[in-house]
Amino acid sequence: KQEVTQIPAALSVPEGENLVLNCSFTDSAIYNLQWFRQDPGKGLTSLLLIQSSQREQTSGRLNASLDKSSGRSTLYIAASQPGDSATYLCAAVNYGGSQGNLIFGKGTKLSVKP
Amino acid sequence: EPEVTQTPSHQVTQMGQEVILRCVPISNHLYFYWYRQILGQKVEFLVSFYNNEISEKSEIFDDQFSVERPDGSNFTLKIRSTKLEDSAMYFCASSERWAVTKETQYFGPGTRLLVL
Repeated sequence: KQEVTQIPAALSVPEGENLVLNCSFTDSAIYNLQWFRQDPGKGLTSLLLIQSSQREQTSGRLNASLDKSSGRSTLYIAASQPGDSATYLCAAVNYGGSQGNLIFGKGTKLSVKP
Repeated sequence: EPEVTQTPSHQVTQMGQEVILRCVPISNHLYFYWYRQILGQKVEFLVSFYNNEISEKSEIFDDQFSVERPDGSNFTLKIRSTKLEDSAMYFCASSERWAVTKETQYFGPGTRLLVL
């Protein structure tokens, strides 16, 4: 059964710092891995999706990597801003007959201090 | 930009009562999902729905739960007899195609359900 883990659970950084959020998964037979942002009391916003055949995806200041063999993904945020403060979730979609259900980690709560 | 909408945003109910949570997926999307997030816990998959039938459901989605697409725009989650442990944020999501490979799911803002 797929388990997705995110470390650290919380992270506080000063504005302008580059940072890395980590995600690990136990079953490498994934279709894709996605990173989401969740603001307090709000829904989930998709940030990046990496297909199983890809190694990374970039969008603006965000770069996500995927290493299936080691069961890891990272989300790199460059030049962090206070507006980046949110909880970041990673989620995997597995093979094995799954109709696309996402298996989430618990998230990393990021706080960027001005 | 098209978005998934959910109503109500908050719902308080008594244990044993029936609740219906409503979602309007993005109009050209064909695949629909419900997830829930108990406070402080992971977001958990409940059910996926395509072509007017359930595609997959998790262990959480027992006989107390049902889903329906009553018309061309709404997608509903019904909990027949709510329990205290059903208190959670419920998210609806939709995708244009089967949400594997390169297809992302778009999430609504959620309905916070509190069972007293």
